[in-house]
Amino acid sequence: QKEVEQNSGPLSVPEGAIASLNCTYSDRGSQSFFWYRQYSGKSPELIMFIYSNGDKEDGRFTAQLNKASQYVSLLIRDSQPSDSATYLCAVNRDNDMRFGAGTRLTVKP
Amino acid sequence: KAGVTQTPRYLIKTRGQQVTLSCSPISGHRSVSWYQQTPGQGLQFLFEYFSETQRNKGNFPGRFSGRQFSNSRSEMNVSTLELGDSALYLCASTDRGNSPLHFGNGTRLTVT
Repeated sequence: QKEVEQNSGPLSVPEGAIASLNCTYSDRGSQSFFWYRQYSGKSPELIMFIYSNGDKEDGRFTAQLNKASQYVSLLIRDSQPSDSATYLCAVNRDNDMRFGAGTRLTVKP
Repeated sequence: KAGVTQTPRYLIKTRGQQVTLSCSPISGHRSVSWYQQTPGQGLQFLFEYFSETQRNKGNFPGRFSGRQFSNSRSEMNVSTLELGDSALYLCASTDRGNSPLHFGNGTRLTVT
Protein backbone atom coordinates (compact mmCIF):
# COMPACT_ATOMS: atom_id res chain seq x y z
CA GLN A 1 0.00 0.00 0.00
CA LYS A 2 1.36 3.38 -1.00
CA GLU A 3 1.88 5.86 1.80
CA VAL A 4 0.06 8.69 0.03
CA GLU A 5 -2.43 7.93 -2.70
CA GLN A 6 -3.99 10.24 -5.25
CA ASN A 7 -6.07 9.69 -8.33
CA SER A 8 -3.61 10.34 -11.14
CA GLY A 9 -6.29 11.79 -13.39
CA PRO A 10 -6.32 13.53 -15.68
CA LEU A 11 -9.13 15.54 -14.17
CA SER A 12 -10.75 17.91 -16.58
CA VAL A 13 -13.13 20.71 -15.55
CA PRO A 14 -14.57 23.68 -17.44
CA GLU A 15 -13.47 27.19 -16.59
CA GLY A 16 -15.41 28.56 -13.64
CA ALA A 17 -16.23 25.14 -12.19
CA ILE A 18 -15.10 23.62 -8.90
CA ALA A 19 -12.21 21.18 -9.11
CA SER A 20 -12.07 18.57 -6.35
CA LEU A 21 -8.80 16.76 -5.66
CA ASN A 22 -8.53 13.91 -3.19
CA CYS A 23 -5.78 12.20 -1.25
CA THR A 24 -5.59 9.37 1.28
CA TYR A 25 -2.67 8.46 3.49
CA SER A 26 -1.72 5.36 5.43
CA ASP A 27 0.20 6.65 8.48
CA ARG A 28 -2.23 7.52 11.29
CA GLY A 29 0.56 9.39 13.08
CA SER A 30 0.85 11.95 10.28
CA GLN A 31 1.02 15.43 11.69
CA SER A 32 0.78 17.96 8.87
CA PHE A 33 -0.67 17.97 5.40
CA PHE A 34 0.14 19.98 2.31
CA TRP A 35 -0.97 20.66 -1.23
CA TYR A 36 1.60 21.66 -3.84
CA ARG A 37 1.08 22.70 -7.43
CA GLN A 38 3.62 21.77 -10.07
CA TYR A 39 3.62 23.16 -13.57
CA SER A 40 5.33 21.12 -16.26
CA GLY A 41 9.09 21.54 -16.07
CA LYS A 42 8.91 23.50 -12.82
CA SER A 43 9.43 22.64 -9.17
CA PRO A 44 6.51 22.20 -6.74
CA GLU A 45 5.11 25.33 -5.13
CA LEU A 46 3.09 25.36 -1.92
CA ILE A 47 -0.62 26.13 -2.21
CA MET A 48 -1.96 25.27 1.22
CA PHE A 49 -1.18 23.44 4.44
CA ILE A 50 -3.51 22.15 7.13
CA TYR A 51 -2.79 20.69 10.52
CA SER A 52 -6.20 20.20 12.16
CA ASN A 53 -9.40 18.44 11.20
CA GLY A 54 -11.85 20.57 9.28
CA ASP A 55 -11.65 23.10 6.51
CA LYS A 56 -9.14 25.81 5.78
CA GLU A 57 -9.84 28.42 3.15
CA ASP A 58 -7.43 30.68 1.27
CA GLY A 59 -8.92 32.64 -1.58
CA ARG A 60 -10.26 30.21 -4.18
CA PHE A 61 -8.67 27.23 -2.42
CA THR A 62 -10.10 25.15 0.42
CA ALA A 63 -8.24 22.29 2.06
CA GLN A 64 -10.20 19.70 4.02
CA LEU A 65 -8.74 17.23 6.50
CA ASN A 66 -10.36 14.22 8.11
CA LYS A 67 -7.83 12.38 10.23
CA ALA A 68 -10.25 9.63 11.25
CA SER A 69 -10.73 8.74 7.58
CA GLN A 70 -7.09 9.57 6.72
CA TYR A 71 -8.32 11.80 3.96
CA VAL A 72 -7.26 15.18 2.63
CA SER A 73 -8.87 17.12 -0.16
CA LEU A 74 -8.39 20.34 -2.07
CA LEU A 75 -11.21 22.30 -3.65
CA ILE A 76 -10.49 24.93 -6.26
CA ARG A 77 -13.41 27.26 -6.85
CA ASP A 78 -13.87 29.30 -10.03
CA SER A 79 -11.19 27.23 -11.77
CA GLN A 80 -9.06 29.10 -14.30
CA PRO A 81 -6.99 27.78 -17.22
CA SER A 82 -3.91 28.92 -15.26
CA ASP A 83 -4.83 26.32 -12.61
CA SER A 84 -3.97 23.58 -15.11
CA ALA A 85 -1.09 21.73 -13.45
CA THR A 86 -0.27 18.64 -11.43
CA TYR A 87 -1.38 18.83 -7.79
CA LEU A 88 0.69 16.97 -5.23
CA CYS A 89 -0.59 15.93 -1.85
CA ALA A 90 2.09 15.67 0.85
CA VAL A 91 1.97 14.23 4.35
CA ASN A 92 4.54 14.89 7.06
CA ARG A 93 5.46 13.00 10.21
CA ASP A 94 8.54 13.82 12.25
CA ASN A 95 10.23 15.86 9.51
CA ASP A 96 9.70 13.10 6.95
CA MET A 97 7.46 14.40 4.17
CA ARG A 98 6.04 11.96 1.64
CA PHE A 99 4.29 12.86 -1.56
CA GLY A 100 1.54 11.32 -3.62
CA ALA A 101 2.07 10.75 -7.33
CA GLY A 102 -0.05 13.80 -8.14
CA THR A 103 -3.30 14.51 -9.95
CA ARG A 104 -3.11 16.25 -13.30
CA LEU A 105 -5.78 18.92 -13.61
CA THR A 106 -6.83 20.52 -16.87
CA VAL A 107 -9.15 23.53 -16.86
CA LYS A 108 -10.75 24.05 -20.26
CA PRO A 109 -11.70 27.58 -21.38
CA LYS B 1 15.05 36.49 1.04
CA ALA B 2 16.71 34.35 -1.59
CA GLY B 3 15.06 31.02 -2.30
CA VAL B 4 16.55 27.56 -2.35
CA THR B 5 19.40 27.40 -4.83
CA GLN B 6 20.44 24.20 -6.56
CA THR B 7 23.46 23.76 -8.78
CA PRO B 8 24.00 22.76 -11.44
CA ARG B 9 20.65 22.98 -13.26
CA TYR B 10 21.56 20.30 -15.79
CA LEU B 11 24.03 17.43 -15.82
CA ILE B 12 24.84 14.76 -18.32
CA LYS B 13 26.85 11.81 -17.06
CA THR B 14 27.82 8.38 -18.30
CA ARG B 15 26.93 5.10 -16.63
CA GLY B 16 29.42 4.20 -13.93
CA GLN B 17 30.40 7.76 -13.16
CA GLN B 18 29.57 9.60 -9.98
CA VAL B 19 27.92 12.97 -9.50
CA THR B 20 27.59 15.58 -6.76
CA LEU B 21 24.66 17.96 -6.54
CA SER B 22 24.57 21.06 -4.37
CA CYS B 23 21.80 22.84 -2.48
CA SER B 24 21.81 26.10 -0.57
CA PRO B 25 18.72 26.47 1.62
CA ILE B 26 16.81 29.61 2.41
CA SER B 27 18.73 31.67 4.94
CA GLY B 28 17.83 30.51 8.45
CA HIS B 29 16.49 27.15 7.33
CA ARG B 30 18.34 24.31 8.97
CA SER B 31 16.45 21.35 7.53
CA VAL B 32 17.22 20.21 4.00
CA SER B 33 15.42 17.38 2.21
CA TRP B 34 16.23 15.73 -1.10
CA TYR B 35 13.80 14.11 -3.53
CA GLN B 36 14.07 12.27 -6.81
CA GLN B 37 11.32 12.89 -9.33
CA THR B 38 10.69 10.67 -12.33
CA PRO B 39 7.60 10.50 -14.56
CA GLY B 40 6.80 6.98 -13.44
CA GLN B 41 7.51 7.22 -9.71
CA GLY B 42 6.64 10.78 -8.79
CA LEU B 43 8.50 12.46 -5.94
CA GLN B 44 10.53 9.93 -3.98
CA PHE B 45 12.09 10.89 -0.65
CA LEU B 46 15.85 10.42 -0.48
CA PHE B 47 16.92 11.89 2.87
CA GLU B 48 16.57 14.78 5.27
CA TYR B 49 19.32 16.61 7.14
CA PHE B 50 19.20 18.90 10.13
CA SER B 51 22.23 20.47 11.79
CA GLU B 52 24.61 18.25 9.81
CA THR B 53 22.80 15.06 10.89
CA GLN B 54 20.76 12.77 8.69
CA ARG B 55 17.44 12.38 10.49
CA ASN B 56 15.43 10.46 7.90
CA LYS B 57 16.24 8.28 4.94
CA GLY B 58 14.13 6.90 2.12
CA ASN B 59 14.40 3.54 0.40
CA PHE B 60 17.29 4.17 -1.94
CA PRO B 61 20.45 2.10 -2.34
CA GLY B 62 23.68 3.08 -0.65
CA ARG B 63 24.93 4.61 -3.90
CA PHE B 64 22.88 7.64 -2.88
CA SER B 65 24.42 9.61 -0.06
CA GLY B 66 24.34 13.10 1.28
CA ARG B 67 25.77 15.47 3.79
CA GLN B 68 25.10 18.83 5.31
CA PHE B 69 27.61 21.47 6.27
CA SER B 70 27.66 23.80 9.26
CA ASN B 71 26.17 26.60 7.15
CA SER B 72 23.21 24.28 6.32
CA ARG B 73 24.27 23.87 2.70
CA SER B 74 23.83 20.31 1.55
CA GLU B 75 25.24 18.03 -1.11
CA MET B 76 24.06 14.71 -2.41
CA ASN B 77 26.23 12.21 -4.19
CA VAL B 78 25.32 9.37 -6.48
CA SER B 79 28.05 6.86 -7.24
CA THR B 80 28.21 4.26 -10.00
CA LEU B 81 25.47 5.92 -11.98
CA GLU B 82 22.83 3.80 -13.68
CA LEU B 83 20.48 4.72 -16.53
CA GLY B 84 17.59 4.62 -14.08
CA ASP B 85 19.13 7.44 -12.05
CA SER B 86 18.11 9.88 -14.77
CA ALA B 87 15.67 12.18 -13.02
CA LEU B 88 14.97 15.60 -11.63
CA TYR B 89 16.59 15.93 -8.20
CA LEU B 90 14.87 18.41 -5.96
CA CYS B 91 16.13 19.96 -2.78
CA ALA B 92 13.81 21.62 -0.28
CA SER B 93 14.34 23.46 2.97
CA THR B 94 12.26 24.39 5.98
CA ASP B 95 12.81 26.28 9.20
CA ARG B 96 11.08 23.94 11.64
CA GLY B 97 9.51 20.55 11.91
CA ASN B 98 6.30 19.75 10.09
CA SER B 99 6.35 23.11 8.31
CA PRO B 100 6.02 23.50 4.54
CA LEU B 101 8.98 22.66 2.36
CA HIS B 102 10.31 25.26 -0.04
CA PHE B 103 11.75 23.76 -3.18
CA GLY B 104 14.66 24.75 -5.37
CA ASN B 105 14.47 24.64 -9.17
CA GLY B 106 16.05 21.21 -9.25
CA THR B 107 18.95 19.56 -11.02
CA ARG B 108 18.06 17.52 -14.07
CA LEU B 109 20.43 14.57 -14.34
CA THR B 110 20.69 12.55 -17.52
CA VAL B 111 22.68 9.34 -17.46
CA THR B 112 23.71 7.94 -20.86
